[in-house]
Amino acid sequence: KQEVTQIPAALSVPEGENLVLNCSFTDSAIYNLQWFRQDPGKGLTSLLLIQSSQREQTSGRLNASLDKSSGRSTLYIAASQPGDSATYLCAVSPSYNQGGKLIFGQGTELSVKP
Amino acid sequence: DTGVSQDPRHKITKRGQNVTFRCDPISEHNRLYWYRQTLGQGPEFLTYFQNEAQLEKSRLLSDRFSAERPKGSFSTLEIQRTEQGDSAMYLCASSLGSEEVLFGPGTRLTVL
Repeated sequence: KQEVTQIPAALSVPEGENLVLNCSFTDSAIYNLQWFRQDPGKGLTSLLLIQSSQREQTSGRLNASLDKSSGRSTLYIAASQPGDSATYLCAVSPSYNQGGKLIFGQGTELSVKP
Repeated sequence: DTGVSQDPRHKITKRGQNVTFRCDPISEHNRLYWYRQTLGQGPEFLTYFQNEAQLEKSRLLSDRFSAERPKGSFSTLEIQRTEQGDSAMYLCASSLGSEEVLFGPGTRLTVL
């Protein structure tokens, strides 16, 4: 059974710092991995999608990497800003046929202090 | 397209009442998903449709829950005889095939 873990559960950093959020999964047979952002009481906003054949994806100040063999992904946020404060969730899709049936971690709650 | 929409955004009901939520996916997306999220947890998969066919249901989806997607467009999720344990955020999402999954704003259910 696939399990997704995110460490740490919460992180507080001063504005301007570069930071890394970690995601690990137990079964390396995944189709793709997505990173999401969730603001309190809101839905999820998709940040980055990495296909299983890819090693990384970049969007603005965000860079996500994937090491399928070791069951790890990281989300790198450069030059953090107070507006980056939110919960960040990673999710894996188990197979092409089940694409979209995502298995989520519990999230990392990020606080960026001005 | 304005994205995935859900209605209502908030619902307060008394235990034992029935509730129904609606989701309108992105128009060109053929897959539609329902997830449930409780406080401090990641979303949990409930069920999904490909076009109008319901292809998978989680064991979390008890007999009191039913979902439909008539004509492969919008979807409804009904909860009968609500219980306090049903209080959660219900999230709808859609995708084109197995590609990027996009979520709606969610419906927050509170059962008193």
